[in-house]
Amino acid sequence: DGGITQSPKYLFRKEGQNVTLSCEQNLNHDAMYWYRQDPGQGLRLIYYSQIVNDFQKGDIAEGYSVSREKKESFPLTVTSAQKNPTAFYLCASSIGTGLSYEQYFGPGTRLTVT
Amino acid sequence: SQKIEQNSEALNIQEGKTATLTCNYTNYSPAYLQWYRQDPGRGPVFLLLIRENEKEKRKERLKVTFDTTLKQSLFHITASQPADSATYLCALPNAGKSTFGDGTTLTVKP
Repeated sequence: DGGITQSPKYLFRKEGQNVTLSCEQNLNHDAMYWYRQDPGQGLRLIYYSQIVNDFQKGDIAEGYSVSREKKESFPLTVTSAQKNPTAFYLCASSIGTGLSYEQYFGPGTRLTVT
Repeated sequence: SQKIEQNSEALNIQEGKTATLTCNYTNYSPAYLQWYRQDPGRGPVFLLLIRENEKEKRKERLKVTFDTTLKQSLFHITASQPADSATYLCALPNAGKSTFGDGTTLTVKP
C-alpha cells in the first residue's frame, strides 16, 4: 500500500526532553510538510521540504528542528525549547509544491508532555 | 496580513438536507482553493480543488464554488448523511505552501 506512516500514534514525554517524531512516505513525493494542530483549531505549518537536503521554516518553527536526508523520510524533533509542545502533529507530502498539488496526510502523532 | 475564515460556529443539519460551508479569505489572490475532510483523531483527506477560472466544481454529492470577486468559496454537500459528519477545511496556496482555515465541524443528524 502506498501512503504516509507516522509513528508512534501516541507519545508521552517529560518536560525538558527532546523527542523525535517519525514520518515516512512511499509515494515518491518530493515535498513533505509538518503541521501542528491544537484542539478546535486548524493546521499550522512548522517546517516543509521541497527536495532532499533542503527545508524551510513555516509559521511556527521555533522550538522544532527537521532533517531531510532521504526522499522518503522527514523526521521532526520537538526540542525542550518548544514552550507548549503538547499537540497533535501531522505529516503530509505532495508531488511538488506547485500551485495545485493536493497533500496526502499521515495518521498523526499525539504528543503529550508533562 | 493574509487571513482565512471559515464558519465560526459548528453546523448541525438534518439528514437529507444540503449543508453549506463557507470559506472567506482576505489579502489573497489565490489561483486555486482546496477542500479537505478531517475525522476526529485522523489526518485530513483531500476532497476537491477549484481553480480561479472555474466558477463551480462537482464530485458526486459535493459542489464547490469559487467567487474571486467576493473572495469566497462555498462547499455544499447535498442529500447529507450522518457519515458526512466531520470537520471540513479549506486551504489556499501561500508562497509555495498551503495555509489552512480552522475548519467547520458538520454534524448530520439522522
